[in-house]
Amino acid sequence: DQQVKQNSPSLSVQEGRISILNCDYTNSMFDYFLWYKKYPAEGPTFLISISSIKDKNEDGRFTVFLNKSAKHLSLHIVPSQPGDSAVYFCAASASTSYDKVIFGPGTSLSVIP
Amino acid sequence: KAGVTQTPRYLIKTRGQQVTLSCSPISGHRSVSWYQQTPGQGLQFLFEYFSETQRNKGNFPGRFSGRQFSNSRSEMNVSTLELGDSALYLCATVDYNNEQFFGPGTRLTVL
Repeated sequence: DQQVKQNSPSLSVQEGRISILNCDYTNSMFDYFLWYKKYPAEGPTFLISISSIKDKNEDGRFTVFLNKSAKHLSLHIVPSQPGDSAVYFCAASASTSYDKVIFGPGTSLSVIP
Repeated sequence: KAGVTQTPRYLIKTRGQQVTLSCSPISGHRSVSWYQQTPGQGLQFLFEYFSETQRNKGNFPGRFSGRQFSNSRSEMNVSTLELGDSALYLCATVDYNNEQFFGPGTRLTVL
């Protein structure tokens, strides 16, 4: 049973609009959440994170929102740019150790010029 | 500086064969972890090596093994390949600030 779910395998958004990528988790022990971006033929790169003591974290065009009661987080990209087209992985952990990080299956984002 | 490199980038094998994948970390990085990425499953942690010792291990069968050399380069071996082993295998290294860097991966296809 997947502990981290990304129910939308793909998403298309017009350039300049907002992209919202969603993620749900089942383990209430998770207290640290991460988003990674992956381009084809490259490894994933860390994008943004949030700990469970916060409900929002912002970094430029990227904002992550955490709703602990709903066990839900989302990544907002505003405004979306064609270079944002990539696969986005949501990940969660109950530990600061990388071997304990659980990844979701990913959402492929296409930003259309 | 050079990033994490993985060789080969693509590999085709048949069931029952074995395969060895290689990962060269960023200079100075001593921790190397391996992940398997399959469609619909995300990245799954295989194992981590630090100073030539396996430090952590994921939930994979014993057919999956690895090792690390004194220069921090790591190899991953999969024996008796199965169709379900077809995946992208990623390695990642960690620097002294605990920041993780992934390599581009090796795409393994088992026929």
